[in-house]
Amino acid sequence: NAGVMQNPRHLVRRRGQEARLRCSPMKGHSHVYWYRQLPEEGLKFMVYLQKENIIDESGMPKERFSAEFPKEGPSILRIQQVVRGDSAAYFCASSQDLNYGYTFGSGTRLTVV
Amino acid sequence: KQEVTQIPAALSVPEGENLVLNCSFTDSAIYNLQWFRQDPGKGLTSLLLIQSSQREQTSGRLNASLDKSSGRSTLYIAASQPGDSATYLCAVEDQGAQKLVFGQGTRLTINP
Repeated sequence: NAGVMQNPRHLVRRRGQEARLRCSPMKGHSHVYWYRQLPEEGLKFMVYLQKENIIDESGMPKERFSAEFPKEGPSILRIQQVVRGDSAAYFCASSQDLNYGYTFGSGTRLTVV
Repeated sequence: KQEVTQIPAALSVPEGENLVLNCSFTDSAIYNLQWFRQDPGKGLTSLLLIQSSQREQTSGRLNASLDKSSGRSTLYIAASQPGDSATYLCAVEDQGAQKLVFGQGTRLTINP
């Protein structure tokens, strides 16, 4: 079991470009979560998805950010027109159900130049 | 709104010492509490998960306790080793929320 797989590990984008971050959950896990860790800050919840459904997006910025978890393939976190303040580590987690806790991926470190 | 606080923010101790990391949370209506370890530039590794009905969990040299009524959890590390150096994160999941609220972490350094 390869665990939660995130790619790329590092991503550099110029201001105004789009960033696409991918996450494949652990085998058998149907719940996917995205968290953001800004420099010198704690991890903050962004969005919770199940296959083809956004369950809770209360932590997502209202503009430029979107997430999906299609029927086939990985979950995608998309950031349009990136700005320097988007530079952060973005972590994906998955869970089987409420009783087993969360498993996190290694993260994608986004740098906006 | 749930808030999680971890004290101390940083801790440096010599190898071999037993130590305690503290975590407090403001809303006791939690579903579970999870302790993680984060190495610099790396992801999170789950250490221990305590359900709200449990008082403690143990794994090797680690023991985590939960006092839900007082909003506190402690992570006890026995016989610390340099390899234990990392940031330790406490996170709670509120009932019905299905998302984690994290503390700021305790940066632990074990000196050889």
